[in-house]
Amino acid sequence: DAGVIQSPRHEVTEMGQEVTLRCKPISGHNSLFWYRQTMMRGLELLIYFNNNVPIDDSGMPEDRFSAKMPNASFSTLKIQPSEPRDSAVYFCASSLGLSTGELFFGEGSRLTVL
Amino acid sequence: GQQLNQSPQSMFIQEGEDVSMNCTSSSIFNTWLWYKQDPGEGPVLLIALYKAGELTSNGRLTAQFGITRKDSFLNISASIPSDVGIYFCAGRDPNTGNQFYFGTGTSLTVIP
Repeated sequence: DAGVIQSPRHEVTEMGQEVTLRCKPISGHNSLFWYRQTMMRGLELLIYFNNNVPIDDSGMPEDRFSAKMPNASFSTLKIQPSEPRDSAVYFCASSLGLSTGELFFGEGSRLTVL
Repeated sequence: GQQLNQSPQSMFIQEGEDVSMNCTSSSIFNTWLWYKQDPGEGPVLLIALYKAGELTSNGRLTAQFGITRKDSFLNISASIPSDVGIYFCAGRDPNTGNQFYFGTGTSLTVIP
């Protein structure tokens, strides 16, 4: 079975550029989560969706960050404009539901903003 | 957001030794998960726990959901070199929309 699929695996960009990260959750999972991982702060929840609807985006650091889930099999996390402090590994994860099931992670997208 | 208190932060052990790590929280959780993360990869789920007192094994790994519902531990028996990595706990808090909160990780090094 395919797990959570993220792309790109690596992205190097210059400050000010737009970055779009993509995620395909596990088929049949209704909840999708975006996390950011850094050495200093560990895993931070940015935003999560349930049935394609954003439930809590209080973890999104700034207005430069936005996320969408146009359908059950696709989500994007966009940073515009990007800054060097956005450099981190961004993970997408999915679960059956908000209160049920385990949380499964993708392989992550490593973002470097120069 | 809330972070769980995970200890130890790092461990250096000889191959064949047993390992124990734990997580504690100030909140009551309804689920505990344990993950292993290798460099450059995403966290991989090892064990899931759903009931207070539950003891679950996965090969050489054993984890328990604490009776108070505020803690969990993970044991690895007879460690091998491929056990090297960072281990994370995660707890689901029913009082904050069932969000998962993560421990700060335990870095395990196994010396052959």
